[in-house]
Amino acid sequence: EPEVTQTPSHQVTQMGQEVILRCVPISNHLYFYWYRQILGQKVEFLVSFYNNEISEKSEIFDDQFSVERPDGSNFTLKIRSTKLEDSAMYFCASNLGQGPNEQFFGPGTRLTVL
Amino acid sequence: QKEVEQNSGPLSVPEGAIASLNCTYSDRGSQSFFWYRQYSGKSPELIMSIYSNGDKEDGRFTAQLNKASQYVSLLIRDSQPSDSATYLCAVNSWFDYKLSFGAGTTVTVRA
Repeated sequence: EPEVTQTPSHQVTQMGQEVILRCVPISNHLYFYWYRQILGQKVEFLVSFYNNEISEKSEIFDDQFSVERPDGSNFTLKIRSTKLEDSAMYFCASNLGQGPNEQFFGPGTRLTVL
Repeated sequence: QKEVEQNSGPLSVPEGAIASLNCTYSDRGSQSFFWYRQYSGKSPELIMSIYSNGDKEDGRFTAQLNKASQYVSLLIRDSQPSDSATYLCAVNSWFDYKLSFGAGTTVTVRA
């Protein structure tokens, strides 16, 4: 069964460093998303991406964040200068299209900023 | 900003019983409703979607939607220890890509 994959599973970085989180969405899906979940808190939307551009972004997704689809399979989230409060689980999700389509989540990347 | 509210629990039920989970949402424009299961340290796993008023059954799971009351629920019948997890309610609208999640209800099934 097709699934969303993410690498790495765990990333440890120093405050101020850049990190890139990688995702491979389900192959026939057209819409891609990043969410994050700080320990003990809600899953929060960061950004959605369609047709090589951002469709929607939240207030969390400030200038420190960027997304890219560098090739036909990968979808990346870059955090330019990490802060302690960026420590969280980051989930990639994808679906076929807008409207009621279900979103399927990858296993997540645990980001720890020291 | 869509608000999605869930009873945080924990909800403890004996094995074989019915677990009943509730979710309310603030945005009347919400069109799509989802229940995800999340085991500790893992990602959300989709277990049910519902779009129309009424009940939708899938195996031991039944989702119920009442748009007039802005209420969606999930029933888990014949609860098993493997059902012990946090259940997340999520909503979006027809033209809104993002999912808005509730904080989740933690369910513990006692053997």
